[in-house]
Amino acid sequence: GESVGLHLPTLSVQEGDNSIINCAYSNSASDYFIWYKQESGKGPQFIIDIRSNMDKRQGQRVTVLLNKTVKHLSLQIAATQPGDSAVYFCAENIGGFNKFYFGSGTKLNVKP
Amino acid sequence: GAVVSQHPSWVICKSGTSVKIECRSLDFQATTMFWYRQFPKQSLMLMATSNEGSKATYEQGVEKDKFLINHASLTLSTLTVTSAHPEDSSFYICSAIGLAVAQSTDTQYFGPGTRLTVL
Repeated sequence: GESVGLHLPTLSVQEGDNSIINCAYSNSASDYFIWYKQESGKGPQFIIDIRSNMDKRQGQRVTVLLNKTVKHLSLQIAATQPGDSAVYFCAENIGGFNKFYFGSGTKLNVKP
Repeated sequence: GAVVSQHPSWVICKSGTSVKIECRSLDFQATTMFWYRQFPKQSLMLMATSNEGSKATYEQGVEKDKFLINHASLTLSTLTVTSAHPEDSSFYICSAIGLAVAQSTDTQYFGPGTRLTVL
């Protein structure tokens, strides 16, 4: 459903380190998840997705882990770069109707 | 990859006027488009689902007479903010789902957003 927040949590990492961004979802019927990256003033950009019949999926420098037992999703970014600095959102799809609901987001700040 | 555009990218209008925002899928046909709004430092809030040739489905709490959505073709959806007020100032983002995109038929591709400021 709707996500409301006053401040985005921030994760600060050093360039070259690995980053882990977490997301908790609420609906056990959610069957498809996407991680998006949003830079300031721009629309969200697809990073990686995972379906509920999987618990891990890897992309280029990114890995998504899904734990359905505790309704938790994480995004791991390897060798984080300054260009990775952005706000990251997880989005969940419920019931295959292609409607996605977004989590509250995490701001990733990569220090050079 | 799939490209979604929005026009205008930003708009400033006077209170009481109506503003139309266009969302286009440039290299694929979008069977479904979605409209979101985003306030500063907050997440995206789904406003409505727009299906080509049928009425839009609005999320709970979203006024359908306030936010008019038209999905006239498989590549174009429009959102009209009627009688805009300062509290309607926000970042409006559309997304589209279609066939023949690289990742998945369920993947949404987002437009760059439209910044609306109502004076």
